[in-house]
Amino acid sequence: GAGVSQSPSNKVTEKGKDVELRCDPISGHTALYWYRQSLGQGLEFLIYFQGNSAPDKSGLPSDRFSAERTGGSVSTLTIQRTQQEDSAVYLCASSLLGQGMTDTQYFGPGTRLTVL
Amino acid sequence: GEDVEQSLFLSVREGDSSVINCTYTDSSSTYLYWYKQEPGAGLQLLTYIFSNMDMKQDQRLTVLLNKKDKHLSLRIADTQTGDSAIYFCAESGGGFKTIFGAGTRLFVKA
Repeated sequence: GAGVSQSPSNKVTEKGKDVELRCDPISGHTALYWYRQSLGQGLEFLIYFQGNSAPDKSGLPSDRFSAERTGGSVSTLTIQRTQQEDSAVYLCASSLLGQGMTDTQYFGPGTRLTVL
Repeated sequence: GEDVEQSLFLSVREGDSSVINCTYTDSSSTYLYWYKQEPGAGLQLLTYIFSNMDMKQDQRLTVLLNKKDKHLSLRIADTQTGDSAIYFCAESGGGFKTIFGAGTRLFVKA
């Protein structure tokens, strides 16, 4: 596609349920990032995928969060046993190389997650 | 750890200049960025500056960098209602990890 797409755009779930958020990066981009944007907070880095390398999971807030990237393209962020504090906008970005300014990150529109 | 701080709100009148300020803590920052986020949309890169530059101008946008004080600013000349958005300051050391500020919400009054 022309840009990064994410689905669903909005997700409302009950506390304790599992959710899956999907990201389709720009075709050919080797790097993919997940961020969390909470009200009044900056973007919080969650996880980074680069090609076939092991992902950098250093930003995941707890073991309830996991992500995978299949075939070097589509990525799924899974949150298990959701809590109310997980409510936020989850943003995905992709970039061609994953290194520095020569490698602009292109962001998707985000998934707004609301945990009741 | 690294931190990027910016004020949360700015209100200006249409036609005036807007100045959005940002401070960062990482002295090894190589690239500094300004992103714009319109309602319901993802972040869009507006402009960037290398740490060895003091100023960069791009049409209505002027970026000033004071590396000694770790201060970055974005000036928007002749601000229009279409400029209303959230502006994020961000920095990176050249690797993959980019640190973002909380964003400054710019309100432009007609």
